[in-house]
Amino acid sequence: DIQLTQSPSFLSASVGDEVTITCRASQGIGFYLAWYQQRPGKAPKVLISGASTLQTGVPSRFSGSGSGTEFTLTISSLQPEDFATYYCQQLTTHLTFGPGTKVDIK
Amino acid sequence: QVQLVQSGAEVKKPGASVKVSCKASGYTFTNSDINWVRQGSGQGLEWMGWMNANSGNTGFAEKFQGRVTMTWSTSIGTAYMELSSLTSEDTAVYYCARAGGEMGDFDLWGQGTLVTVSS
Repeated sequence: DIQLTQSPSFLSASVGDEVTITCRASQGIGFYLAWYQQRPGKAPKVLISGASTLQTGVPSRFSGSGSGTEFTLTISSLQPEDFATYYCQQLTTHLTFGPGTKVDIK
Repeated sequence: QVQLVQSGAEVKKPGASVKVSCKASGYTFTNSDINWVRQGSGQGLEWMGWMNANSGNTGFAEKFQGRVTMTWSTSIGTAYMELSSLTSEDTAVYYCARAGGEMGDFDLWGQGTLVTVSS
């Protein structure tokens, strides 16, 4: 199975900061990667699919890039509602998730 | 309204089985895969498997092979996930999710069902 790692696992930031989360796959997955946001007690919500395609309704401060084995999610100016946990997911076979990155308020 | 609505919380004893339902509405149930994902308390998301009511196919994560069954009723647009031989390690929130995105991403999620395994 394809394994995903995320870094960092935790980050502390302030409103207005730019933050970047990295997701690495154990083998090449092309552009078959999605990013999700999960707030406490809620189901995840897809932000980005195809590595860089912003889903409808997702603010433009979110962006994704990468292909193959290395991907990034960037939040350009962190807002209070962005403090959450973010997961990447590979969309090839056996649709594994990364371990998550918790974004907390500094 | 496009939504997935799951059955309520369950409490089971070790060794028992649990069956969780996921009712789809507002879209054609057979057009997309339904996946099941679980999340232990304070833990990450764990993909369990998928089913497609149109093709009749299923696929499971290796970890759950032989212990999970995914079925459905097309007539009522409902998917079911049954997990057997429960242990305390299976205590988690179980989500169903539609793989309706262009790349197969999960664009619609149920509200989650808490399954507690305790003696």
